[in-house]
Amino acid sequence: AQSVAQPEDQVNVAEGNPLTVKCTYSVSGNPYLFWYVQYPNRGLQFLLKYITGDNLVKGSYGFEAEFNKSQTSFHLKKPSALVSDSALYFCAVRPPSGGYQKVTFGTGTKLQVIP
Amino acid sequence: EPEVTQTPSHQVTQMGQEVILRCVPISNHLYFYWYRQILGQKVEFLVSFYNNEISEKSEIFDDQFSVERPDGSNFTLKIRSTKLEDSAMYFCAGGGGLQETQYFGPGTRLLVL
Repeated sequence: AQSVAQPEDQVNVAEGNPLTVKCTYSVSGNPYLFWYVQYPNRGLQFLLKYITGDNLVKGSYGFEAEFNKSQTSFHLKKPSALVSDSALYFCAVRPPSGGYQKVTFGTGTKLQVIP
Repeated sequence: EPEVTQTPSHQVTQMGQEVILRCVPISNHLYFYWYRQILGQKVEFLVSFYNNEISEKSEIFDDQFSVERPDGSNFTLKIRSTKLEDSAMYFCAGGGGLQETQYFGPGTRLLVL
């Protein structure tokens, strides 16, 4: 069975500082990994994904994530946080085969960027 | 940029009533999904749908739930007899194939009284 762990319920960071939101995963085979962001009363917006290739993937709004196979991690990063980045961030994993395959989400990390 | 749309945005219903949640996926997507998020909890998979049939469903998706794509554009989730514990945000999602990202709609917030 696949699973995702987001060890931090909330991350606070000062505006302009780098941010990291942690994620570790468990899945059979090579994973498909995703980050989504959810703003209050809104749906889930796709940020970025790792399928294969370069371990550092870049996504929307200046976010990037680093895939580390040995540590089974996929941490989300941004060099300089903005107040508008404050939202709920979900890490997600999907098995590599089958388009019908479900995405399994982590419990979410609330990012609070302090002005 | 095309988006997944969902209607209604909010729905309040009485326990035991039937509800139908509607979604219009992105036109070139082939796989369709429903997820739900109970308030304060994580997003949970309900069902996936491909080629006009269910591909996979979770243990949550019992006989009270059904999905269909009646006209090639709308994708609906029906809850036949709602229970209090069905209160949640329901998200529709679509994807294009084996490696494609699933793109989510804005959700329908269902409240069962």
